[in-house]
Amino acid sequence: NAGVTQTPKFQVLKTGQSMTLQCAQDMNHEYMSWYRQDPGMGLRLIHYSVGAGITDQGEVPNGYNVSRSTTEDFPLRLLSAAPSQTSVYFCASSPDRASGNEQFFGPGTRLTVL
Amino acid sequence: AQKITQTQPGMFVQEKEAVTLDCTYDTSDPSYGLFWYKQPSSGEMIFLIYQGSYDQQNATEGRYSLNFQKARKSANLVISASQLGDSAMYFCAMRPTNDYKLSFGAGTTVTVRA
Repeated sequence: NAGVTQTPKFQVLKTGQSMTLQCAQDMNHEYMSWYRQDPGMGLRLIHYSVGAGITDQGEVPNGYNVSRSTTEDFPLRLLSAAPSQTSVYFCASSPDRASGNEQFFGPGTRLTVL
Repeated sequence: AQKITQTQPGMFVQEKEAVTLDCTYDTSDPSYGLFWYKQPSSGEMIFLIYQGSYDQQNATEGRYSLNFQKARKSANLVISASQLGDSAMYFCAMRPTNDYKLSFGAGTTVTVRA
């Protein structure tokens, strides 16, 4: 199993550009989520999905869209990039809500918006 | 809503000594899980240990143990016999048992000195 994969690893955008961060998992996990990591603030939840066709907002959803058409894929779209979206983005997945199930994280995407 | 507090931004520890990383949390959920993750300089998030709020014993995983004090709402991570490879950022996280969403603290940077 490849686990959770993310592409690209690095990206530089100009203000106003749009792009999609890709996330895929091959563990048949029902739960997937996107976090952003900023210095001194830990990880904050952007959007999450509890199954194909179901998505919901997390703590910091503004400026981002998601969709979940398949169990495996959970792309994150930046509609019009802003410098405030410069961050490291992590995708994570989990099998279910059973007690003790940790979330498995992808390697991260480092995004810079100029 | 959950709030996780890690009050130690950075710590130094001598190789082979033990180190305790503090984590306190605030939640109104009666059942929840506590997690610790390690983030080395390479950036990936590595799951270390889990503690359920109703677990009678403190969790242990190799050199990692969790000092869980429910009444004080604290879940401190103890790393015994520190190694140079333990130098990393450590995050405390929590989620209610009936939910997927994970809330993170701001993290503690540990530097192990030879």
